[in-house]
Amino acid sequence: ELKVEQNPLFLSMQEGKNYTIYCNYSTTSDRLYWYRQDPGKSLESLFVLLSNGAVKQEGRLMASLDTKARLSTLHITAAVHDLSATYFCAVDSNFGNEKLTFGTGTRLTIIP
Amino acid sequence: ETGVTQTPRHLVMGMTNKKSLKCEQHLGHNAMYWYKQSAKKPLELMFVYNFKEQTENNSVPSRFSPECPNSSHLFLHLHTLQPEDSALYLCASSLGDTLNYGYTFGSGTRLTVV
Repeated sequence: ELKVEQNPLFLSMQEGKNYTIYCNYSTTSDRLYWYRQDPGKSLESLFVLLSNGAVKQEGRLMASLDTKARLSTLHITAAVHDLSATYFCAVDSNFGNEKLTFGTGTRLTIIP
Repeated sequence: ETGVTQTPRHLVMGMTNKKSLKCEQHLGHNAMYWYKQSAKKPLELMFVYNFKEQTENNSVPSRFSPECPNSSHLFLHLHTLQPEDSALYLCASSLGDTLNYGYTFGSGTRLTVV
């Protein structure tokens, strides 16, 4: 059974600081996805990483994938308040069953 | 608007009621999903449909009954629910086994069972 773990679960950081959220998964996969969820809202797609070494950047967020280590990172640079949200990673099990397994989420709070 | 539309946005129902949640997408996707999101718990996959055939039922109680009449529409019929079923129910769609773009989620239905 595929397991996806994120850490930390909760993160408070000051504006202007840098930090990284980690996503580990338990079985072979080369496709990983990051989503953002604002309170009471749905999930918004941020990044799709489809191969080992893939790196994607959008604004202050950068995501990378290391399939050998079964690890993805979401790096936040010079955080701003608007980035406060819950971030989820999700992994495709590669079993061709069109199903993603989600991590537990990281609740990020940016403090002025 | 993501292209996946869920109705209603909010629903309050008694334990003896019967109601239905609706999800619609016109993105040309062939797979559709129901997820349950409860407070302090991970997203739980409930059902998967691919080309309107159910391919996964993740041990969901029979008081939840899905229906997928075509690749663009997905329903979740609810009856005799329990208070612990109160949650955000999310519908998603995808291109199916390629998943090169991941899922597109709807806005969700916030369900409260009283």
